[in-house]
Amino acid sequence: AQSVAQPEDQVNVAEGNPLTVKCTYSVSGNPYLFWYVQYPNRGLQFLLKYITGDNLVKGSYGFEAEFNKSQTSFHLKKPSALVSDSALYFCAVGHSGGYQKVTFGTGTKLQVIP
Amino acid sequence: NAGVMQNPRHLVRRRGQEARLRCSPMKGHSHVYWYRQLPEEGLKFMVYLQKENIIDESGMPKERFSAEFPKEGPSILRIQQVVRGDSAAYFCASSSGQGRNQPQHFGDGTRLSIL
Repeated sequence: AQSVAQPEDQVNVAEGNPLTVKCTYSVSGNPYLFWYVQYPNRGLQFLLKYITGDNLVKGSYGFEAEFNKSQTSFHLKKPSALVSDSALYFCAVGHSGGYQKVTFGTGTKLQVIP
Repeated sequence: NAGVMQNPRHLVRRRGQEARLRCSPMKGHSHVYWYRQLPEEGLKFMVYLQKENIIDESGMPKERFSAEFPKEGPSILRIQQVVRGDSAAYFCASSSGQGRNQPQHFGDGTRLSIL
């Protein structure tokens, strides 16, 4: 079985400050990891993914995520937060062994304070 | 716009009626996923389909819910004899592969309200 945990329901950060949204995972085999963002009354939008290769993955809107195998983490980061980054962020995990649906975390609400 | 299209965006039904939610995947995508989202909650997987086949329906309630993805036309999520607890946002996503390393592309959802 695979699972993903987002330990923070909400993260507050001041505009211009760096932000981190945490994600840890559990999976057998090599993980495929994703971050999505959801704005109000919209579907999820893909931000970035880790499949293999460099542990630091760069994605849309200036976001990046760092894969840490020893800590089984895939935290989302951005050097300087914008008010427009305020949204709901979802981490998701799949794995390389056969068909396996992607499992989504419960989401973290990011609030960027002007 | 060749994104995932869901309709209707909003659907109101009375208890006991049927709800039909439609999803047209992105062009070239043959894998469709349905999710349910309650307010302030995450996404709950319901079903994964390929053309004419249900691959995984482990998240689908055993009664009243069904899904199909015919050879021609959109994928349909059907809820029979709706109850108040069915009120939620239902999202469809599509991908070009088995989803293991391909991102899923989401529609904007259908918000189902049961009176």
